[in-house]
Amino acid sequence: QKEVEQNSGPLSVPEGAIASLNCTYSDRGSQSFFWYRQYSGKSPELIMFIYSNGDKEDGRFTAQLNKASQYVSLLIRDSQPSDSATYLCAVEPQKLVFGQGTRLTINP
Amino acid sequence: DTGVSQDPRHKITKRGQNVTFRCDPISEHNRLYWYRQTLGQGPEFLTYFQNEAQLEKSRLLSDRFSAERPKGSFSTLEIQRTEQGDSAMYLCASSLRPRGNTEAFFGQGTRLTVV
Repeated sequence: QKEVEQNSGPLSVPEGAIASLNCTYSDRGSQSFFWYRQYSGKSPELIMFIYSNGDKEDGRFTAQLNKASQYVSLLIRDSQPSDSATYLCAVEPQKLVFGQGTRLTINP
Repeated sequence: DTGVSQDPRHKITKRGQNVTFRCDPISEHNRLYWYRQTLGQGPEFLTYFQNEAQLEKSRLLSDRFSAERPKGSFSTLEIQRTEQGDSAMYLCASSLRPRGNTEAFFGQGTRLTVV
């Protein structure tokens, strides 16, 4: 079982809709959870972090954490074509471990 | 620029040659990570440091890979006797642990091509 699992996609969402990205992790001792966005040929850029169960909102982005289910999600509201990228989930039990990423395409 | 800096940005080398990459973390950050990323995959953990101490090295990493962080500031990653399978983006990230926020920030990466 991989430490961090994501659906690799591609996930296609119409412009203006809500994009929902999901991630599960295996280490119950994990305390910190992150979402990174990566454009093609670029390095990952941190967009959200969450440490406690529940929801955390920042602009159009909402991160959701459920430690009992070992599940993290990212919602992107009012999706824009500029949101088209690969989204990486990362979890930090001791070291920072990444999933394989979900490729998201926003269709105008 | 106070972000994570990596050098060089691109490196083309012949198979069998040694290469060394450098990473300068954000100045107050005490944790430093190295990752390798190939097309369509997430960053693969290679190793990480807390100050000058190397805390873990991936079991998938061969003995041809070595990393140092001698004074707890910048770090180097060396690959000896490069192989074509080493072609990838090598990413460095830094964070402040355990005190403070734990978010890790990446440098721009070093793209290695082995020919």
